[in-house]
Amino acid sequence: DTGVSQDPRHKITKRGQNVTFRCDPISEHNRLYWYRQTLGQGPEFLTYFQNEAQLEKSRLLSDRFSAERPKGSFSTLEIQRTEQGDSAMYLCASSRQRGNEKLFFGSGTQLSVL
Amino acid sequence: AQKVTQAQTEISVVEKEDVTLDCVYETRDTTYYLFWYKQPPSGELVFLIRRNSFDEQNEISGRYSWNFQKSTSSFNFTITASQVVDSAVYFCALSGDGGSQGNLIFGKGTKLSVKP
Repeated sequence: DTGVSQDPRHKITKRGQNVTFRCDPISEHNRLYWYRQTLGQGPEFLTYFQNEAQLEKSRLLSDRFSAERPKGSFSTLEIQRTEQGDSAMYLCASSRQRGNEKLFFGSGTQLSVL
Repeated sequence: AQKVTQAQTEISVVEKEDVTLDCVYETRDTTYYLFWYKQPPSGELVFLIRRNSFDEQNEISGRYSWNFQKSTSSFNFTITASQVVDSAVYFCALSGDGGSQGNLIFGKGTKLSVKP
């Protein structure tokens, strides 16, 4: 496995700007997940895809957040009009199609909103 | 509602000591899965183990062992003869069959520091 890769590793932005993160899952994995992790906390689920279909979204995912996985391969997570409270590590993970499989995580994108 | 509690925020041990990380969970699902993940300083969470609710057998993998007890809703993790490379944040997580199978509920983690 080449692993889950995320880009960029770090992003600094000013409040009100839009940001987009990319995740490339392990190639044979059908499921892709986005989590958010703040300092001293465990990851919190945001959303997940099975192939190109977005099957679940957390209440944490406000209207300013949107995620896509257009061809069932890579995914993007966009945050519009960023706020300081959006500062966090955004983690992507992938897994095979069967439920409750172990997740393979990427190294994350650290977002800082000034 | 589902919940995972890791009461130990930080633990510090000296190399070669044994250490147990506690995890207590709450769920109404009859079928559920428990996980442990390790997050080293590099940040990437690494899967350690998955257990389903019908399998209460304890598991041993090298220096790692897990004790699952449904009666106390606990899934504790023991590292025997700890090493400096074990230093990391360890997360316990829960997923239920009733809800999304991709929606893991994580505890807040236990930061383990192993000193030489």
